[in-house]
Amino acid sequence: AQSVTQPDIHITVSEGASLELRCNYSYGATPYLFWYVQSPGQGLQLLLKYFSGDTLVQGIKGFEAEFKRSQSSFNLRKPSVHWSDAAEYFCAVAPISGGYNKLIFGAGTRLAVHP
Amino acid sequence: DGGITQSPKYLFRKEGQNVTLSCEQNLNHDAMYWYRQDPGQGLRLIYYSQIVNDFQKGDIAEGYSVSREKKESFPLTVTSAQKNPTAFYLCATLRTDYGYTFGSGTRLTVV
Repeated sequence: AQSVTQPDIHITVSEGASLELRCNYSYGATPYLFWYVQSPGQGLQLLLKYFSGDTLVQGIKGFEAEFKRSQSSFNLRKPSVHWSDAAEYFCAVAPISGGYNKLIFGAGTRLAVHP
Repeated sequence: DGGITQSPKYLFRKEGQNVTLSCEQNLNHDAMYWYRQDPGQGLRLIYYSQIVNDFQKGDIAEGYSVSREKKESFPLTVTSAQKNPTAFYLCATLRTDYGYTFGSGTRLTVV
């Protein structure tokens, strides 16, 4: 079955430290890959996406993600975290076969930032 | 500005009641989706619609119903058959070259 795993439920980092959020997916072919961020009580905002091409993807707010086909991973990174980055982060995949019309989410990683 | 409007932001339902959540978009996107979010479970797909007058069940459709009479609108009804409706509900649209855009959500609570 198709699935998305975010191994870390909670992560705490200090402001200015680097960040890496992990995401692994289980799917027969390379799907479309997304990272979203959600502030409390709000909708989801797209940080970045991977459809094809360069496996290092740049997004908004200084985030980037690297697609590694051999590891079925799409980890999100930021070199220096700001207090405003505290939020919940979701990795999601959209299987391509059968039409690009479903988004499957991981359970999310909640990020806390210490001053 | 184009976007997705979900209303109301907060909704309270009594036991046995049906309630309808509104989702309106002016992005001119064909496909629309309803997701349910529970703590620690990510988002799960309830229903989706790729064109007007057509929709498909998602992974957790039981106890919910939808309609798609207009391209701009995709209301979700939470029926009394839904035994645990308390959750955060998110509407989304899809443009295939961009991805999914989400509304700001409706929090439904059973009282």
